[in-house]
Amino acid sequence: EDQVTQSPEALRLQEGESSSLNCSYTVSGLRGLFWYRQDPGKGPEFLFTLYSAGEEKEKERLKATLTKKESFLHITAPKPEDSATYLCAVQEELYGGSQGNLIFGKGTKLSVKP
Amino acid sequence: AAGVIQSPRHLIKEKRETATLKCYPIPRHDTVYWYQQGPGQDPQFLISFYEKMQSDKGSIPDRFSAQQFSDYHSELNMSSLELGDSALYFCASSPSGANVLTFGAGSRLTVL
Repeated sequence: EDQVTQSPEALRLQEGESSSLNCSYTVSGLRGLFWYRQDPGKGPEFLFTLYSAGEEKEKERLKATLTKKESFLHITAPKPEDSATYLCAVQEELYGGSQGNLIFGKGTKLSVKP
Repeated sequence: AAGVIQSPRHLIKEKRETATLKCYPIPRHDTVYWYQQGPGQDPQFLISFYEKMQSDKGSIPDRFSAQQFSDYHSELNMSSLELGDSALYFCASSPSGANVLTFGAGSRLTVL
């Protein structure tokens, strides 16, 4: 059973057309939810960490929000350079408060056309 | 700023051969993670080390082994390579107590 599900798998936008990416998760104890950007053939690049429901973080045209069951990555007026795969990952709170590794979703491939 | 360094960036091997990938974490990062990413797939956790001890183990095949050395660099050893081992292998590091992982650029392994 997938613990992290991202939708849509792929998204094509026109430049300036705002939209949202979804990440739903099922873990017993969430230590943190992470958003990464990955360009083809490169390593994931850290964007945001969210820790509790109601939390929001922004960076340029990106804004991440978190509820108890899902997170959204809102992209406002995207540009072609925002084209990439956006990965969501969760980290579980394990026994004794120790942290687990990151569990990734399959990502949303975003293409922004000029 | 220094990043996570992985070598080699590209590696081509034949079936049943052995390969070794190296990872040099960001200075003062004492935790190292290894991930495998197949074509069009999400990164899958293999193994992690904290202070030179294995801290967590994921879907790492028995043919693979890894260790972290006294200078905190890590090596992933892969033996009896199979076609399905062809993938991008990422190393990530973090300082202890912090949960943000910084990823390297990856090592692309192709098994022929």
